[in-house]
Amino acid sequence: DTEVTQTPKHLVMGMTNKKSLKCEQHMGHRAMYWYKQKAKKPPELMFVYSYEKLSINESVPSRFSPECPNSSLLNLHLHALQPEDSALYLCASSQEAGSITGELFFGEGSRLTVL
Amino acid sequence: AQSVTQLDSQVPVFEEAPVELRCNYSSSVSVYLFWYVQYPNQGLQLLLKYLSGSTLVESINGFEAEFNKSQTSFHLRKPSVHISDTAEYFCAVSVVGAQKLVFGQGTRLTINP
Repeated sequence: DTEVTQTPKHLVMGMTNKKSLKCEQHMGHRAMYWYKQKAKKPPELMFVYSYEKLSINESVPSRFSPECPNSSLLNLHLHALQPEDSALYLCASSQEAGSITGELFFGEGSRLTVL
Repeated sequence: AQSVTQLDSQVPVFEEAPVELRCNYSSSVSVYLFWYVQYPNQGLQLLLKYLSGSTLVESINGFEAEFNKSQTSFHLRKPSVHISDTAEYFCAVSVVGAQKLVFGQGTRLTINP
C-alpha cells in the first residue's frame, strides 16, 4: 500500500462552520505534512508532524488546527474560515522524519470552498 | 532561505519533440533537488531527485535532469514527449538536514499532436 488517502475530496463550508479534513497512510511513514495549493500556484507548506509531534508550523492562522491522533492519521480542523482560504489541501507523508532525502507521497487532496 | 525559480510558466511542444523545463535555485547551504509532476485533479508524484553523486539523474519514464552547481540549475529534459506527459511540473528544493520542501511556481507542459 503506497497510498495517502484524503477525505473528503470536496468540501463546501460557510464561514461559521466547523469541519475537518482527514488524511491516512499505512506505509509506516514517520512524518506527515499539510500543504495548501491555490489555483495555478505551487503547494505551500502549512504543518509538519514528526513522530506524531508538531515539528513545523509555518505561521498558519489559528483557524486551522492540525491534529495527529496516531502515526497513520492526520487531521486538519477548520473553524471560522475566510473565502480566501478556498484551496486544494494536500496531505503528504515521508519515510524519514528529519531531512527530506526521499519521496514525499501526496494524496489527491481535499478541495475546499468557503462561502 | 532557499528559493526556486522556474523560468517558464507554460511550455507548449509538439508530440515527439524534445523539451527542457528550466529550474534555478538559490541557497547558501547544501540542498537536495527534486522534480514533481502533477496531473490534472491529482496530487503530486516524484519524478526524480538529486541528493549527491552523479549529477545526471533519470526517471523511469524517460525524463532526466542534470544538477549544475556552478549555475545553480536543475533543468528537466526529455528527448521525445508524449501526449500523456501533459501536466504541471514542479521543481523543489530542501535544505540538507531540514524538513521543509519548497516548490517553484510550476511549469505547465502542453503537448500538441
